[in-house]
Amino acid sequence: QKEVEQNSGPLSVPEGAIASLNCTYSDRGSQSFFWYRQYSGKSPELIMSIYSNGDKEDGRFTAQLNKASQYVSLLIRDSQPSDSATYLCAATGGLGNDMRFGAGTRLTVKP
Amino acid sequence: NAGVTQTPKFQVLKTGQSMTLQCAQDMNHNSMYWYRQDPGMGLRLIYYSASEGTTDKGEVPNGYNVSRLNKREFSLRLESAAPSQTSVYFCASSVSPALGETQYFGPGTRLLVL
Repeated sequence: QKEVEQNSGPLSVPEGAIASLNCTYSDRGSQSFFWYRQYSGKSPELIMSIYSNGDKEDGRFTAQLNKASQYVSLLIRDSQPSDSATYLCAATGGLGNDMRFGAGTRLTVKP
Repeated sequence: NAGVTQTPKFQVLKTGQSMTLQCAQDMNHNSMYWYRQDPGMGLRLIYYSASEGTTDKGEVPNGYNVSRLNKREFSLRLESAAPSQTSVYFCASSVSPALGETQYFGPGTRLLVL
């Protein structure tokens, strides 16, 4: 069983819509969670980090964490074509320096 | 301030050849990491170095060795390349290995083993 799972997509939304990306994790010891964005042929770049249950907002991005359900999500409001990328969910395995990544969800925002 | 740099950007090897991937960071970070990324598999940790002078195995260390040359540099060596090691390799660094520390990634090295 993969430790961090994401819907592989592709997810396609129209410009201006809300994109919802989901992630589940199996290690209950995970304490820190991250969303990275990766454009094709580029390296991952951090969008959001979240450590506590609830919502965390940063501009058009909102991360949601539910530790009881072992579920993390990323909402992108007012989606733009420039948001088209693969989004990687990551969680620390509880060991402090062993981050586990999901396989990523490819998002396409259509003009 | 270049962040995390990697060389080479692209390499083609024949089975059995050896090579070293270089990584350097100029952010004064203590911790450094090597990942490989394969289609449908996400990023998988090969080795990490929590601080200068220490290295530890990650999820997929077989076939690789690493050296933390100094605080700035962390190299990954393939002693005898195999086609299964065809992948994109990313180096990353963070301030420390503590929970919640952001990892910053280099541009990647694309390796093809024939």
